[in-house]
Amino acid sequence: EDKVVQSPLSLVVHEGDTVTLNCSYEVTNFRSLLWYKQEKKAPTFLFMLTSSGIEKKSGRLSSILDKKELFSILNITATQTGDSAVYLCAVGPMDSSYKLIFGSGTRLLVRP
Amino acid sequence: SQTIHQWPATLVQPVGSPLSLECTVEGTSNPNLYWYRQAAGRGLQLLFYSVGIGQISSEVPQNLSASRPQDRQFILSSKKLLLSDSGFYLCAWSVRSGNTIYFGEGSWLTVV
Repeated sequence: EDKVVQSPLSLVVHEGDTVTLNCSYEVTNFRSLLWYKQEKKAPTFLFMLTSSGIEKKSGRLSSILDKKELFSILNITATQTGDSAVYLCAVGPMDSSYKLIFGSGTRLLVRP
Repeated sequence: SQTIHQWPATLVQPVGSPLSLECTVEGTSNPNLYWYRQAAGRGLQLLFYSVGIGQISSEVPQNLSASRPQDRQFILSSKKLLLSDSGFYLCAWSVRSGNTIYFGEGSWLTVV
């Protein structure tokens, strides 16, 4: 059965800290891995990763994929209170419907 | 640019009552459409997806149904709601060969 596991389940840090969120997966016919940020409502797209070892970066956020070891990490440097959210990892299989399989998320709380 | 809207944003329904959540996408043609549910503190569960008008695939057996009467319209329904149907429902779309899905604003359903 396909699955995506995220760790830790929750994390509390102080502003300025650096955090690393983990996502491991077991999916047949892997196509891509995506990261989303969910605050109060709908998840918003952060990154899509398809190739191993290529870092995607956006401001203080970065992510990398290891297709051999079947995991990805999301790094946030110099955290701010606005980074507080649930971060969701999702993996997409290689088929035409493009259904995503989501992990249960990591809840990040950044304290001032 | 593409936009997705779903409504209503919040609703409280008694057990046994019907349900209709509606979602529309603008700015694209022939999208894949999805309905997800997120129970409190849990990840996103795919309920239905559609690759075209009248084409609905169900991922989880339940008392919910979905319909796609028009290319960019997706409706989630129930004839008789159960308490366990409470949750946060998200409509989403992707391009037919796309790698990323984009979410609507979400609908909070409380069944009482």
